[in-house]
Amino acid sequence: GDSVTQMEGPVTLSEEAFLTINCTYTATGYPSLFWYVQYPGEGLQLLLKATKADDKGSNKGFEATYRKETTSFHLEKGSVQVSDSAVYFCALSNTGKLIFGQGTTLQVKP
Amino acid sequence: ETGVTQTPRHLVMGMTNKKSLKCEQHLGHNAMYWYKQSAKKPLELMFVYSLEERVENNSVPSRFSPECPNSSHLFLHLHTLQPEDSALYLCASSQNGAGLVDTQYFGPGTRLTVL
Repeated sequence: GDSVTQMEGPVTLSEEAFLTINCTYTATGYPSLFWYVQYPGEGLQLLLKATKADDKGSNKGFEATYRKETTSFHLEKGSVQVSDSAVYFCALSNTGKLIFGQGTTLQVKP
Repeated sequence: ETGVTQTPRHLVMGMTNKKSLKCEQHLGHNAMYWYKQSAKKPLELMFVYSLEERVENNSVPSRFSPECPNSSHLFLHLHTLQPEDSALYLCASSQNGAGLVDTQYFGPGTRLTVL
């Protein structure tokens, strides 16, 4: 069945460092891909999405490109802030059902 | 994001209690979802409602009973829960009916502790 694999966390970075969180997927057809973020004590918020191959989703300085050839949707940000500390979830949707990865915790230190 | 609200935000209950979780969406969406988020596990989809009809039940024990009286409200009725049911319960909604790829918007969750 469809699945999403994210890199293990936690990821600990200093402020202004470059961030990459890897995400790969297995799916039939052409799923839509999403990144959600969960700040401490809150629910999930949509961060960005891409609906077809080579699309780039972007929001709040974060970017991810839908790479069909490598079945990947890696999340990147050029300069992280302490306020970016959260859990990041990669997800795919093929039939309206969201399949989530296990989440990657990001800790940004001042 | 205040489009999807959930109450209560925190709930502590004994194994013999009966309680209900409430979710309300103010986005005019047609589909609503219940998820369970446990520590160190991926989010688990529990139930899906589309146009007020249940379209998916992912082998959830009968001690969890969902109700969707209209397209804006979703409840999760709880009875005789077990300690392993302690988790964050998240509600979500999406514009289109289930089965169609669409963005889901989540509420803040209810943190449930079963003693």
